[in-house]
Parts: sequence; C-alpha cells; structure tokens
Amino acid sequence: GAVVSQHPSWVICKSGTSVKIECRSLDFQATTMFWYRQFPKQSLMLMATSNEGSKATYEQGVEKDKFLINHASLTLSTLTVTSAHPEDSSFYICSAPTSGSSYEQYFGPGTRLTVT
Amino acid sequence: AQTVTQSQPEMSVQEAETVTLSCTYDTSESNYYLFWYKQPPSRQMILVIRQEAYKQQNATENRFSVNFQKAAKSFSLKISDSQLGDTAMYFCAFMKHVGVSNMLTFGGGTRLMVKP
Repeated sequence: GAVVSQHPSWVICKSGTSVKIECRSLDFQATTMFWYRQFPKQSLMLMATSNEGSKATYEQGVEKDKFLINHASLTLSTLTVTSAHPEDSSFYICSAPTSGSSYEQYFGPGTRLTVT
Repeated sequence: AQTVTQSQPEMSVQEAETVTLSCTYDTSESNYYLFWYKQPPSRQMILVIRQEAYKQQNATENRFSVNFQKAAKSFSLKISDSQLGDTAMYFCAFMKHVGVSNMLTFGGGTRLMVKP
C-alpha cells in the first residue's frame, strides 16, 4: 500500500523557538494532505488541509500564523510551529488520500513534539 | 457539519470472545463513507474496515464486521475471536462523498483492552 512518512518522529524544542515537521508521500503524489493534532488519550483533531500550490485551509480556532503550512510539491507538506510554547506539545499526524477521487487515506506515523 | 460519537470510552474483552464497539453520526449528506481505524500503542493509524453509505450490505474483513444502520445513523464494529493484538484505540470516522472532500471527521475513540 501507499506510504506516508513524517520527520522527525520526535522533537524537543525550547519555548520560543520554531520547529518544522515534514510529511512526505513516498510512492504517490498528493495534491492534498491533512494535518491533525492528537492530545494524550484523545481523538484526532483536524488542524488544516494542505493544498499543493495554494494556501492551506485552516479549521476554526487554529492560528494560521502559529501553525504555518507549506505544500511546495506533490509529495511534501510541512508544518512549522512558530514561537512554540509548552501548550503546543502534542502528537501531530499527517495524512494523504492517494488521489482526488480516492477514499483511501494513508497516515504518517506521527511526530511527538515536546516544548520545554 | 458532521459529528461522530463513540459512547464507550473504554471496553475490555477476553481473548477469543466477541466485542462490539458503538458509533453514531449525524449528517445531512446522503452519500458518504464510514470507517473504523485502529491506533495501537505505536500510534500508527490503521484502516480496519470501510462502508459506503450507498451499499446496504454490511462490510466484513476477516474477524471484523460492521452493522450499518443508515436510517438510525449507526455504525458499530464487531470484532470476533478477539486477539491480544487487537488491543488499541479504535476510532470511527466519517467522510463526505469523495470528490467533495476527503476530510475525515473522527469520533472520540474507544480504548479496547483484550485480556488473556
């Protein structure tokens, strides 16, 4: 099946710094990717839809200036957490459908962010 | 907007027995997809089973089957012959008809523990 990778799998950063998380589709092209946030023992909350070549669509309540999303190619989307604070510590997951006409959605393994 | 509700935060079952996880959803759409995803301790999201709303026949995948009641907007997951490896978080998810949006809306999750 299709593979989606995320890098890094785990990152620790200091409060006030920025951290970039990459999401790659390894064997298919993804014009759309989704970014989720998951707190411990909770469900996945959609943060934004990443669109190749255009601006991301953010869900209500998600600060677009804090969570910068760039979808520069058909295989890569990045999420940058700017000026990170301890409350941004969470598990971030990306996913991608294999095509615009597919229900098949593949998930990355996730990135654990810890802000100290 | 769609909502997905899982009323059982935690469940447990003895190995080799059968367990049913509940899910209800609310939508005004007539054409959509429903999914059950499994998230083991590794936190990698794994698709367990899917159901197209236009299909009356309940989906089955080996030991996993669903009871899809469209009028009642209910989509339960039955796991037969439970195995220790089934221990995980299970999420019910909704997707509008492909082509409109591939975005998934997740329920709150059910933590399933399979006991030896």
